[in-house]
Amino acid sequence: DARVTQTPRHKVTEMGQEVTMRCQPILGHNTVFWYRQTMMQGLELLAYFRNRAPLDDSGMPKDRFSAEMPDATLATLKIQPSEPRDSAVYFCASGLVLGEVSHEQYFGPGTRLTVT
Amino acid sequence: GENVEQHPSTLSVQEGDSAVIKCTYSDSASNYFPWYKQELGKRPQLIIDIRSNVGEKKDQRIAVTLNKTAKHFSLHITETQPEDSAVYFCAPKGSGGYNKLIFGAGTRLAVHP
Repeated sequence: DARVTQTPRHKVTEMGQEVTMRCQPILGHNTVFWYRQTMMQGLELLAYFRNRAPLDDSGMPKDRFSAEMPDATLATLKIQPSEPRDSAVYFCASGLVLGEVSHEQYFGPGTRLTVT
Repeated sequence: GENVEQHPSTLSVQEGDSAVIKCTYSDSASNYFPWYKQELGKRPQLIIDIRSNVGEKKDQRIAVTLNKTAKHFSLHITETQPEDSAVYFCAPKGSGGYNKLIFGAGTRLAVHP
């Protein structure tokens, strides 16, 4: 049963430190999404990749956040420097898009980030 | 951008009753309408979806109905059970060719035994 994996599952760090979150999408999926979930804002889309190319990162604070896909098996989300307001659960999801037809997005277990 | 609203934000029912959650969207170009369920501390998971060429879809105790003219779709859960307690998100596909989903704010459903 293929699943999206994320590391680390939990991260506690001090304000100003760099944080890197990793995601392994399901093999064969051609889209990867990064979401942030907080009680106040719900599920926000931060970035979206299709065939490893970044298509939409309009939801991401550009000054401190960056997202990359160095290869088809790894997506990374980096925050530098981190701030307390970045505390949230970060989900990665992958899916298969054929042409303009959307299919299910499979979510990873999430990374719970706490910035003190 | 796309505006997605869910109602109600919280819903409390007795076991065995039905539950209905409504999702209203603004983008008339949306053509894919999924519902995700997120249990406490878990990841969101797809429970049912519908495409714009279909008005209703059913899977055992859950169903989704779509009204494209009015731009809303609804999740129906019949014979609710305590394990249905979760947060439910609608996520209509946005336009613009990026195939991204726009998640609603969620509906917290509590099913009481």
